[in-house]
Amino acid sequence: DAGVIQSPRHEVTEMGQEVTLRCKPISGHNSLFWYRQTMMRGLELLIYFNNNVPIDDSGMPEDRFSAKMPNASFSTLKIQPSEPRDSAVYFCASSLQGKSQPQHFGDGTRLSIL
Amino acid sequence: EDQVTQSPEALRLQEGESSSLNCSYTVSGLRGLFWYRQDPGKGPEFLFTLYSAGEEKEKERLKATLTKKESFLHITAPKPEDSATYLCAVQATGANNLFFGTGTRLTVIP
Repeated sequence: DAGVIQSPRHEVTEMGQEVTLRCKPISGHNSLFWYRQTMMRGLELLIYFNNNVPIDDSGMPEDRFSAKMPNASFSTLKIQPSEPRDSAVYFCASSLQGKSQPQHFGDGTRLSIL
Repeated sequence: EDQVTQSPEALRLQEGESSSLNCSYTVSGLRGLFWYRQDPGKGPEFLFTLYSAGEEKEKERLKATLTKKESFLHITAPKPEDSATYLCAVQATGANNLFFGTGTRLTVIP
């Protein structure tokens, strides 16, 4: 079975550019999560969706970050304009909604903002 | 506020040398405690979910246990392929999201 698929795997861009990260969750999963991982802060939840609806975006650092889930098989995380401090690894995870269902992670997008 | 503290930050073991990793947590009400393994350049891989104090789960050389304040991941006779970062996360009652610790980086030397 295909796992969570993220693209691109690596992104290097200049400060001020728009960055779009993409995620395809596991088929049948109805919860989707975006995380950011850094050495200093570890894994931090940015936003999550249930049934394509954003439930909690309190982890989104600023208005420069936005996320959408137009359908059950696709989500995007957009940063506009990007800044060097946004450099991190961004993970997408999906799960079945319900008590203590484990989240399954993609292999992440390593983002470097110069 | 939910809090997860993992110790030690890093651990080096000789092959075959058993040890334990600790995850201390503070959460308003525990819905579940999760252990993940993360290899370099990869996303976290799910290992176990524990729901209540006294529960234990095993998988190969790994055994996870849970009390009301902490969880342990016991590694018996580790092999070099067990080298990875081990992450602990809690899910609070009524929540769908996980709150992660910063992990323990395990290195097993042949």
